[in-house]
Parts: sequence; C-alpha cells; structure tokens
Amino acid sequence: KQEVTQIPAALSVPEGENLVLNCSFTDSAIYNLQWFRQDPGKGLTSLLLIQSSQREQTSGRLNASLDKSSGRSTLYIAASQPGDSATYLCAVKWRGGSYIPTFGRGTSLIVHP
Amino acid sequence: ETGVTQTPRHLVMGMTNKKSLKCEQHLGHNAMYWYKQSAKKPLELMFVYSLEERVENNSVPSRFSPECPNSSHLFLHLHTLQPEDSALYLCASSQEGSSYSTDTQYFGPGTRLTVL
Repeated sequence: KQEVTQIPAALSVPEGENLVLNCSFTDSAIYNLQWFRQDPGKGLTSLLLIQSSQREQTSGRLNASLDKSSGRSTLYIAASQPGDSATYLCAVKWRGGSYIPTFGRGTSLIVHP
Repeated sequence: ETGVTQTPRHLVMGMTNKKSLKCEQHLGHNAMYWYKQSAKKPLELMFVYSLEERVENNSVPSRFSPECPNSSHLFLHLHTLQPEDSALYLCASSQEGSSYSTDTQYFGPGTRLTVL
C-alpha cells in the first residue's frame, strides 16, 4: 500500500533554531513530492515541489531534499521565526497510477519567541 | 479574484438541512477536487473532476453529492448529514497533463462545516 508518513507529529522550538521536518513514503516509484503549509482553519499553500529527477529545491529559508532510494524527503527551515508556526504537509504523486497525491498527516510546528 | 475561492467560509447546519458548498477557480485549470479534513486525520480525498467528468469517488456516502457544471465551478451538495461530518472541506484545482512547472494543486481557504 502506498503511504506517506510524517515525523514528528508536533514540534515546538525557540525562535532562531534550524529545524528539519521528515516525510517518508513506501514506494520509490514517485512522480513528484510536494511540501505544503497550512495555517489553522485555512487552506494549503504550496511551498516546494520536487520532481522525481531532482534531489532538492530551495526557496528562501526553506530547502527540501528528496532521496527516492530510501523513500525520504526532508524540509529544512533555517533560522525559524514565529511566523513559521503552521502545519506542514507532505504529498506524493505516484508513478503509473492516479494523478491524485497521497498526503501525510502533517507536522504541527510552533516557533515561540 | 485570483486563485481558488470557496463559499461560505463557515456553515452550521442541522441534520435535516440541505445546503451547498461552492468552489470557483480562476486559474484556467482542468481538474478540481473536494477534500475533507477532520481533526487529527490526514486529508481525505472525496471527489475528483477532470474536464468536468467525475473520475474518482472514494466511496463517499451518498449524503454528499458533487456537481461540476463547468471547468471553473464545483459544488458539494449536502443533505441529512451526521455530526461526524463536521470538518473543514477543502477545494483544490490543478492542470493535469501539462509541464512540470504547473503540476501542483492549488487549494481554496476551505469551508468550516459544523453539523448539529
């Protein structure tokens, strides 16, 4: 079964810390992997999209890596700020099947001043 | 307006009511989605429309009825709901079959539904 798992489920860090969020997937035959941010009670906002042929993508203080062979992706947030507090979701599109992505349960991040 | 919009943003209804959720996308996309997000659960895909044809229905109860009159609009008709149907309902759109650069889903802000 194709599944996406995110660890940890929740994370609380002081402002300024560099942090890593993890996403693992059970099938290495992926089309792409995407990281989203969701603020409480709001919709999802796309942060980074990594195609299966890519190893990483960067946007500002965010860096996402992809290792298909180990079935893992990490989202690195540098110099965290209170405004980074949100839930971060990972979504995988699988090759050869439906184009519908499979979402993880998300990591709830709190960055306190 | 740009992006994906949803109305209403909040809805409270009784179990015997009939209501509809509306989604509109202004991105020229060819696929639209309804998701349900309950507390402490992953996003659950409910319905997918591609080119206005329903292509996937993840065994959703018949008390939820989708409608896609054109590529820009998507509705979710609700009737005789249960309290456990209370959740955030998210709409998304995407352009399928295109280049990598547009291969992403764009989400609306959601409708917070409470069933009493």
